[in-house]
Amino acid sequence: TQLLEQSPQFLSIQEGENLTVYCNSSSVFSSLQWYRQEPGEGPVLLVTVVTGGEVKKLKRLTFQFGDARKDSSLHITAAQPGDTGLYLCAGAAGAQKLVFGQGTRLTINP
Amino acid sequence: DTAVSQTPKYLVTQMGNDKSIKCEQNLGHDTMYWYKQDSKKFLKIMFSYNNKELIINETVPNRFSPKSPDKAHLNLHINSLELGDSAVYFCASSQSRDGYTFGSGTRLTVV
Repeated sequence: TQLLEQSPQFLSIQEGENLTVYCNSSSVFSSLQWYRQEPGEGPVLLVTVVTGGEVKKLKRLTFQFGDARKDSSLHITAAQPGDTGLYLCAGAAGAQKLVFGQGTRLTINP
Repeated sequence: DTAVSQTPKYLVTQMGNDKSIKCEQNLGHDTMYWYKQDSKKFLKIMFSYNNKELIINETVPNRFSPKSPDKAHLNLHINSLELGDSAVYFCASSQSRDGYTFGSGTRLTVV
């Protein structure tokens, strides 16, 4: 069974600070995706990384895929209250199946 | 236009009842899914259909029966509901290796 461990599970910081969320596994994934989920809504795709070592930027968010394609990180610069939400990583485990991490609940305090 | 729509949004029912959740996508995607999100927000795949054919069934009890009348629809029927079935159920769709598009979820409460 392929598992994804996210850390931290909960993170509360002040507006303007930087943060990093980690997504780790002992398994290799063909691609890895990051989603953000708001209360009462479904997860919304932020980014897909495919190549080992790949780095993608989305405004203040930087996503990195590990060289061995077993782990990923999400770094947010100068966090804002609007970044508050549940962040989920998900690995493509073949046969059109995504395996999700347990999520990181991020709270940015004004 | 809603890309993946599922109904109802909320469902409260008694133990032992049978209920259905409907899902439709207008994205032209070939693959549709049902995921269950528990109280700790962990998302776990239940079923995956590609062009109306079942390709993934993740050790879900037989009381859960998905049906895909065409590739734009994937419904979930649940027989003899149990307290442990209470959760949020998400429908999603995807095309090839692209990311998933999720519906807004159905919160099922079994009392």
